Amino acid sequence: QSALTQPPSASGSPGQSVTISCTGTSSDVGGYNYVSWYQQHPGKAPRVMIYEVSKRPSGVPDRFSGSKSGNTASLTVSGLQAEDEADYYCSSYAGSNNLYVVFGGGTKLTVL
Amino acid sequence: EVQLVESGGGLVQPGGSLRLSCAASGFTVSSNYMTWVRQAPGKGLEWVSVIYSGGSTYYADSVKGRFTISRDNSKNTLYLQMNSLRAEDTAVYYCARDPTPFWFDPWGRGTLVTVSS
Repeated sequence: QSALTQPPSASGSPGQSVTISCTGTSSDVGGYNYVSWYQQHPGKAPRVMIYEVSKRPSGVPDRFSGSKSGNTASLTVSGLQAEDEADYYCSSYAGSNNLYVVFGGGTKLTVL
Repeated sequence: EVQLVESGGGLVQPGGSLRLSCAASGFTVSSNYMTWVRQAPGKGLEWVSVIYSGGSTYYADSVKGRFTISRDNSKNTLYLQMNSLRAEDTAVYYCARDPTPFWFDPWGRGTLVTVSS
């Protein structure tokens, strides 16, 4: 069982927006602004899309945005494109060196 | 270009050992936090270990006492020594840089470790 809870699947049509949630506790998501989101295509390494809740690394399209409210973080993908179909994982600092980062179980995003 | 390349994975029997390497280019390993993350077949991501720029090391409870993270500054390479391997350690192991703590970029392509008799 993953430390952070994500829906197993999400979907949307091209051009639409979809939001993926990531629920933790006050010891991780709710306690720190260190939530990240990773995109992983089949057989590929993960790629960071969002860090520190809402910051976008260079090269990530501005269609990707992040937010947080209480113990739940969210990733929104606007203007869905076919290449957005992938697995998405959230992660959060977990408050101690021996539980450095915890991940969600992942959400399979399907572009219909 | 900032890049990480893992090597050293393979098939090992339960109880055996393996050392993974992660060669970095485009940045200095010793100046960064560096981490290992693994992904069991068909499963999600699991943080394994981190080494701080100052040299402190930390491990997930699932590998503590069995795995050791280290680095060779002269080779700009990160390592993961894995001992007393178990079937549940079977996974793709990724190394990643931790630019400002608690997020990972870039990631290597991963190396597969299979623990089986």
